[in-house]
Amino acid sequence: ETGVTQSPTHLIKTRGQQVTLRCSSQSGHNTVSWYQQALGQGPQFIFQYYREEENGRGNFPPRFSGLQFPNYSSELNVNALELDDSALYLCASSLAMDYEQYFGPGTRLTVT
Amino acid sequence: AQSVTQPDIHITVSEGASLELRCNYSYGATPYLFWYVQSPGQGLQLLLKYFSGDTLVQGIKGFEAEFKRSQSSFNLRKPSVHWSDAAEYFCAVDPYNTNAGKSTFGDGTTLTVKP
Repeated sequence: ETGVTQSPTHLIKTRGQQVTLRCSSQSGHNTVSWYQQALGQGPQFIFQYYREEENGRGNFPPRFSGLQFPNYSSELNVNALELDDSALYLCASSLAMDYEQYFGPGTRLTVT
Repeated sequence: AQSVTQPDIHITVSEGASLELRCNYSYGATPYLFWYVQSPGQGLQLLLKYFSGDTLVQGIKGFEAEFKRSQSSFNLRKPSVHWSDAAEYFCAVDPYNTNAGKSTFGDGTTLTVKP
């Protein structure tokens, strides 16, 4: 059984650019959540996908968007990058109504 | 909306000493509560969770936590700390009766273990 994986590990982008981060769920999990963890802070909930539909969103602007694919893998897209978007982006997968999420190692995004 | 406060930003304990990390939450209904650990460069690992029932829950690595509704607290404890416990610890709350994974986290407590 493979765990949650994320790619890439690190990424450097310039302000105004767009970025796509990827996440592969743990086998059998149909729910994926994305979190942003700024330096020195706890993770903040961005949004969740369940069976390819957005299923809840945190306090993030529309330039943060996502997708979930039939195999339950997921993408996080961020448009018009800002310096404050620099953070560790965590993906977590779970089985619906099972109150345990499994986190990936994260993608470190730096915006210059 | 729910919120989580971890009052201690940084705690230092000696190896072998006991540990208590504080967590206070604000939530209007029955909370689902979690403690996670994060080592440098790694994702979050679940230590333990509370949904209902016995207010003292046991987790992995010898950790336990006690839910106190009257104090809105869910403090994490360990009787004897090991050097490998040095890490960042996060308390989190999930909304009741929805899919897992819409968690609100505290800002974490960094644990340093002295030899």
